[in-house]
Amino acid sequence: NAGVTQTPKFQVLKTGQSMTLQCAQDMNHEYMSWYRQDPGMGLRLIHYSVGAGITDQGEVPNGYNVSRSTTEDFPLRLLSAAPSQTSVYFCASSYSGLNTEAFFGQGTRLTVV
Amino acid sequence: SQELEQSPQSLIVQEGKNLTINCTSSKTLYGLYWYKQKYGEGLIFLMMLQKGGEEKSHEKITAKLDEKKQQSSLHITASQPSHAGIYLCGAYYPDNYGQNFVFGPGTRLSVLP
Repeated sequence: NAGVTQTPKFQVLKTGQSMTLQCAQDMNHEYMSWYRQDPGMGLRLIHYSVGAGITDQGEVPNGYNVSRSTTEDFPLRLLSAAPSQTSVYFCASSYSGLNTEAFFGQGTRLTVV
Repeated sequence: SQELEQSPQSLIVQEGKNLTINCTSSKTLYGLYWYKQKYGEGLIFLMMLQKGGEEKSHEKITAKLDEKKQQSSLHITASQPSHAGIYLCGAYYPDNYGQNFVFGPGTRLSVLP
């Protein structure tokens, strides 16, 4: 099994550009989530989904959109990139929530200039 | 997160030495989770503790949960360079809106050969 696959691994954007970070899992997990990791701030939840067609906001949702049209995929969209969105982004999936074993992708390192 | 604190922030040990990392919650614990992050990579699940007094081991890593103190300790015996990385504890708080699973700030471990 591939587990959780994130693409791209690295990305540089100009302020105002939009892009989509891809996340796919092949474990048939219902729960998927997006985190950003920043020095001194730790991991912060952006958005999460408890199943196909259901999404909800986490701690830091502003500037990001998500959708969950299939169980496997949970893309994260940056609508208009800002330097404050420079971060490392992680996608995670688990069977029923993060209070069960979670599997993380390798991360996407995003720089907004 | 403000709910979870870890100590120490960083640790440098000589190969073969034992070490302990602590995680303390400011709120009632419903479960405590340990993850390891290798530099530049995603998180890997180590173990989950759900009952007071519970102790689990995986290879040379042992974690204990003290429910009364709302604290968990992660102990590594005879450390090896492969143990190097960032260790994060995580906890589930069902009453938190928007982020009911939070991570601690992490402890950065370096093991000198």
